[in-house]
Amino acid sequence: EDKVVQSPLSLVVHEGDTVTLNCSYEVTNFRSLLWYKQEKKAPTFLFMLTSSGIEKKSGRLSSILDKKELFSILNITATQTGDSAIYLCAVFVSVYGGSQGNLIFGKGTKLSVKP
Amino acid sequence: DAGVIQSPRHEVTEMGQEVTLRCKPISGHDYLFWYRQTMMRGLELLIYFNNNVPIDDSGMPEDRFSAKMPNASFSTLKIQPSEPRDSAVYFCASSFASGTGPFYEQYFGPGTRLTVT
Repeated sequence: EDKVVQSPLSLVVHEGDTVTLNCSYEVTNFRSLLWYKQEKKAPTFLFMLTSSGIEKKSGRLSSILDKKELFSILNITATQTGDSAIYLCAVFVSVYGGSQGNLIFGKGTKLSVKP
Repeated sequence: DAGVIQSPRHEVTEMGQEVTLRCKPISGHDYLFWYRQTMMRGLELLIYFNNNVPIDDSGMPEDRFSAKMPNASFSTLKIQPSEPRDSAVYFCASSFASGTGPFYEQYFGPGTRLTVT
């Protein structure tokens, strides 16, 4: 059965700290890995990764994928209270190729950034 | 653009009733997705469409659930008959894939909170 596991489940840090969130996966027919940020309401897209070793970066957030060891990390540097959210990792799996497939989500990491 | 629009925002219904959730995607987007989120199961992809055609419905939990997309600007998710275990937040999302795959830069609507008593 395909599964995506995120760790830690929750994390409390202080403003200015750097955090690393982990996502490991065991799936067949991997296509891509995605990260989302969910504050009080709907998720927002952060990154999509398909190739190992290529870092994606957006401001203070960055992410990298290791397809050999089957994991990804999301780094947040110089954290701010606005970074407090649940961070979701998901893996797109596709048996048939093309755009058909399923998106398997992890349970998320709840990050709390204290002032 | 107003973003993805969902209605109603909250729905309370009794077990056995039919429930219809509605979604208007962002204009120009060619993919539309329906998700369900609960504390127990987390976020789950139910079904998604490309150019109004269902691409994958393997996440639809059972035959009580159905989804349609009659045109590029409207989709419905119907539950008939509803059960208490269907209580969840249902999100609609849309994207414009342009060769990067369907899930790149999805935009989510605000969700519909469904409570079945």
